Amino acid sequence: EVQLVQSGAEVKKPGESLRISCTGFGYSFAGYWISWVRQMPGKGLEWMGRIDPSDSYTNYSPSFQGHVTISADKSLSTAYLQWSSLKASDSAMYYCARHRGMTTGMDVWGQGTTVTVSS
Amino acid sequence: QSALTQPASVSGSPGQSITISCTGTSSDVGGYNYVSWYQQHPGKAPKLMISDVSNRPSGVSNRFSGSKSGNTASLTISGLQAEDEADYYCSSYTSSGAPVFGGGTKLTVL
Repeated sequence: EVQLVQSGAEVKKPGESLRISCTGFGYSFAGYWISWVRQMPGKGLEWMGRIDPSDSYTNYSPSFQGHVTISADKSLSTAYLQWSSLKASDSAMYYCARHRGMTTGMDVWGQGTTVTVSS
Repeated sequence: QSALTQPASVSGSPGQSITISCTGTSSDVGGYNYVSWYQQHPGKAPKLMISDVSNRPSGVSNRFSGSKSGNTASLTISGLQAEDEADYYCSSYTSSGAPVFGGGTKLTVL
C-alpha cells in the first residue's frame, strides 16, 4: 500500500528546535516530490514548500521562506520539516503530501503531525 | 500569492446536486488547467478528489466532477450523500511556480 507515515505529535516550548518527519512506503520515494502543508486550528490549508527527494532541490512559499527548512534523505525514504526556533504561532497540524510536479495534484497525504508550542 | 476565493459554506439535501466555486485570477486558475480539489473530513487528512480541473483519480466516485470557466473553477457533487459532508478545498498552480489553496468550503448535508 502506498502511504506516507508522519512522526508523532510534539509539544515544545518557544525558542526550541524541532524536526518532524514523513516516510514513504510502497512506492519509489525519489520519483515524487514531497510538499509540506500547514493547517492552523480551525483554518484552511497553506502550502509551505516542497522538495524533490531525487536531488533535494527545494522551493518555499514566501510566507514560510526563512522560517522553516525542508530536507530529505532518499536512502531512508524520508522527508523532514525543521524549525530552529519555534514560536507559539507555529502551533498547527502539519501534513506532508506527494505529487509528481508543481502542476499536479497531491495524491497521497500523511496522517498529519500536531505541533503545539506553549510555554 | 492570495488564497483562492471559495464560499464559506454550502448545503444540500441527500440526492441533490451542489456546486462549489473557486475564484482566482489570470495568474492562477484562469491561466492554467491545473486546478485540484480536496475533501477533508474532520480530524482527517485531505483527500485528492479532482486534478487537472476535471480528472478523477482512481477510486473517486463519479458523482464528483470538476470544470472551469475563466478565472473560476467549480466542483459539482451529484446525488449528495451523508458521507459527502466535509470541508472542500481547491488548489491551483500559479505563475509564481507554487500552488495556492482556496480558503475552504464547509459542505453540510441536510
